[in-house]
Amino acid sequence: SQQGEEDPQALSIQEGENATMNCSYKTSINNLQWYRQNSGRGLVHLILIRSNEREKHSGRLRVTLDTSKKSSSLLITASRAADTASYFCATDAKDAGNMLTFGGGTRLMVKP
Amino acid sequence: GAVVSQHPSRVICKSGTSVKIECRSLDFQATTMFWYRQFPKQSLMLMATSNEGSKATYEQGVEKDKFLINHASLTLSTLTVTSAHPEDSSFYICSARIGGVHQPQHFGDGTRLSIL
Repeated sequence: SQQGEEDPQALSIQEGENATMNCSYKTSINNLQWYRQNSGRGLVHLILIRSNEREKHSGRLRVTLDTSKKSSSLLITASRAADTASYFCATDAKDAGNMLTFGGGTRLMVKP
Repeated sequence: GAVVSQHPSRVICKSGTSVKIECRSLDFQATTMFWYRQFPKQSLMLMATSNEGSKATYEQGVEKDKFLINHASLTLSTLTVTSAHPEDSSFYICSARIGGVHQPQHFGDGTRLSIL
C-alpha cells in the first residue's frame, strides 16, 4: 500500500494564484521528495527535503516538512498555466533499500 | 537532458504477445533500477527493484513469471511482460538513482502498453 496520502486529489486555480498541496506519511524517513508528472510522461524531480530540514525553496516552489506530524506541503506561488500537471510526494523510508513510496498525487489545473 | 531513457514509448499489440521494455541509464552506472506501474489518474506502484547481476526483488502481488526483469549490465534493465493480456495494459515507468541516499530518482518517460 502507498505510504503517502495527498490532498487535495484535484485542485483548480486561476493563473497567478498560489497552489498548496499536502502530503502525509507513516514511517520514519531519510527524506521526502516532490515530483511533477505531465500527462503521459515520466516524473520530473522538483525538490528533496531531508528529515532534518524544515523548509526548502526552489524558485516559485516552497516545501515544508514536519516530521512530528509526518507531513509535508508543496506551495507553488504565482502559478502559471504551464504548472498544470500531477504532483506527487514520495518518501525515502529508513531501511527501505533505496525505494520510494509515492502518495496518491494531486492533479493541478491552472486556468489562464 | 534526460539521464534515463526508456523505450519504447508506446506499444500496441495482440493478447498473448510478450513485450520487452528497456530502461537505460545514460552517462552513469545504475546498480539498482526500479520498475513502476501506473493506472490512469492513479499513483505509481512499485513493481520490482532490479539489481545488476542478481535477481530482481518483486513487491507483494507482482507475478515474477509474468513480469520478467533482467539487469544484465550497469546501464540496462529490461522488463518483459510475458503473454500479455488486456488487464496488463498500463503505463510502465522505470527509474534509477545517481549517488547516495539523499539523491533523487531519475525517471524514464514511461511506456504506454495497450493489449488488444
